[in-house]
Amino acid sequence: ETGVTQTPRHLVMGMTNKKSLKCEQHLGHNAMYWYKQSAKKPLELMFVYSLEERVENNSVPSRFSPECPNSSHLFLHLHTLQPEDSALYLCASSQDGDPYGYTFGSGTRLTVV
Amino acid sequence: DQQVKQNSPSLSVQEGRISILNCDYTNSMFDYFLWYKKYPAEGPTFLISISSIKDKNEDGRFTVFLNKSAKHLSLHIVPSQPGDSAVYFCAASAFGNQFYFGTGTSLTVIP
Repeated sequence: ETGVTQTPRHLVMGMTNKKSLKCEQHLGHNAMYWYKQSAKKPLELMFVYSLEERVENNSVPSRFSPECPNSSHLFLHLHTLQPEDSALYLCASSQDGDPYGYTFGSGTRLTVV
Repeated sequence: DQQVKQNSPSLSVQEGRISILNCDYTNSMFDYFLWYKKYPAEGPTFLISISSIKDKNEDGRFTVFLNKSAKHLSLHIVPSQPGDSAVYFCAASAFGNQFYFGTGTSLTVIP
């Protein structure tokens, strides 16, 4: 596989569930990101990992918990979410100095019921 | 505070005509700008970029213009094709740091 792969593509979960989103990149990039895309809002940066260390956490609620076990994998663990957390969650990767910015995955469409 | 703004949520253009998508930014330190294109059920993909040392960059049917004094950039697509129908995001960064994205403009090219 090439590029950035996200699984699952769609997820419906109850507010008391625990689930995880997975992202895998096969590009040899050294940074990975989680973004949230809600309707009529800009892409919101949630977490940044550079060389497997978290470098940014944009005031994201603790019910979202990222994990980066190695430079190729990124997880977003979800716990007791709210209906307003329903959105498209996009993973991206990049390499320092890359003029093309980020390579995005196809996203996970999350619905919290 | 939103640093990158796309004030037109949608745009419809006739096939063959020019599509102009606009983007404004507030941070004068931004020195690199990108346009991404996003189809439904797919992630955004890189389309074209421009550095602040230029005021124009062209790639086939796509041209990006940068007006630094107005803190404004625009994407021109000519001629527009039905396959160009997608959501277009502009993004900006300063000194290689994180990119800030706009809200996107949904372009529909009518055959």
